Amino acid sequence: AQKITQTQPGMFVQEKEAVTLDCTYDTSDQSYGLFWYKQPSSGEMIFLIYQGSYDEQNATEGRYSLNFQKARKSANLVISASQLGDSAMYFCAMREGNNDMRFGAGTRLTVKP
Amino acid sequence: DSGVTQTPKHLITATGQRVTLRCSPRSGDLSVYWYQQSLDQGLQFLIQYYNGEERAKGNILERFSAQQFPDLHSELNLSSLELGDSALYFCASSAYQGKANEKLFFGSGTQLSVL
Repeated sequence: AQKITQTQPGMFVQEKEAVTLDCTYDTSDQSYGLFWYKQPSSGEMIFLIYQGSYDEQNATEGRYSLNFQKARKSANLVISASQLGDSAMYFCAMREGNNDMRFGAGTRLTVKP
Repeated sequence: DSGVTQTPKHLITATGQRVTLRCSPRSGDLSVYWYQQSLDQGLQFLIQYYNGEERAKGNILERFSAQQFPDLHSELNLSSLELGDSALYFCASSAYQGKANEKLFFGSGTQLSVL
């Protein structure tokens, strides 16, 4: 069963504006981690941000923040002040307990000048 | 640079053939993971090794096998290749065997084309 759902196959945002990429997950574990990765057209997978299930504060890393709503099982990525270089595929991922990392289908973000 | 090295970057072969993909993890990392990324399947977990032992198995076909050597590098062997095996194969590494808070460091991938 799909445990990570990204419902937006593609998103557009104007340069300098903020954008939210949606991610919902399904788990019965109490201990889990949520991750976002960026995949530019060059193909590499770049780690962006991490949120632990026990973390009370939303994670932030520079222009990236994670809007973590545990009761709704959502972990949306917010990118502020979008730049042209933010155009890429974005993947939400989850690790449950000591298990491997599973990924969502991804969202392709296009930043328009 | 993630510190994870994958070779080759590109591989073109024919149906029915066998290929080997190689991965060197980051220095000090004991776990190696293999993922397959194809256009219609997204990023699929194949298999994980920890310190030479198989740790977890995902959607890995019987035609595929992997191992991790004493120096911690890993190889993914793909045999009896089919057109549908064409994909980007990623290797990733992490320090431990799989904690919930442990991020993965990815290599740049091997693009396999089966003609």
